[in-house]
Amino acid sequence: EMQLVESGGGLVQPGGSLQLSCAASGFIFSDSDIHWVRQASGKGLESIGRMTRKVHGYATTYVASVKGRFTLSRDDSQNTAYLQMTSLKTEDTAVYYCAFYRAGYGMDVWGQGTTVTVS
Amino acid sequence: QSVLTQPPSVSAAPGQKVTISCSGSTSNIGTYAVSWYQQLPGTAPKLLIYENNKRSSGIPDRFSGSKSGTSATLGITGLQTGDEADYYCGAWDTSLSAEVFGSGTKVTVL
Repeated sequence: EMQLVESGGGLVQPGGSLQLSCAASGFIFSDSDIHWVRQASGKGLESIGRMTRKVHGYATTYVASVKGRFTLSRDDSQNTAYLQMTSLKTEDTAVYYCAFYRAGYGMDVWGQGTTVTVS
Repeated sequence: QSVLTQPPSVSAAPGQKVTISCSGSTSNIGTYAVSWYQQLPGTAPKLLIYENNKRSSGIPDRFSGSKSGTSATLGITGLQTGDEADYYCGAWDTSLSAEVFGSGTKVTVL
């Protein structure tokens, strides 16, 4: 069974830092692009950024609202993706999801979400 | 303000059909494939449709997707109470270099 398990969420003060982890099992992690998506309470989905798979150079892109503050990374040997968040703002409060895009299957594997509260 | 535009809500009786529209631009839907996601309350989004019209594994054929120009549509036939959820469209946006999502549509089964 394909599965993503997220961890690392919690309560942090404005200006603080937090690192989220996303551990994968049941599929070929290294063949996937990794997306991070967040959802504020009662709001819609907002993409944070993407890191491509190795064959595409592990390229990263970020949305303007987090550029320079958030960093995506991955460890294919550990089947784990990371989202490092710094200079956190109250507006970063949300449920954060990792999601994997697999060529030919779409973004079909999602984590359960982890809650980040900046207050 | 979402990049992709969806109606806030649609509703129909059990067994009926609903369609959800998703309007974008040439920098997203007009160039890239569209996906559709279902989000039940308190759960993570679930992929229904990818590459405009392909159903993800295990998704019944009551769900269908189509795309024309800069718009896409999700159709749900034989509506069931279990289909009550929020539905989001998504596509890559070349101007933003990011995956963009619609504002979400709440489906209510009357």
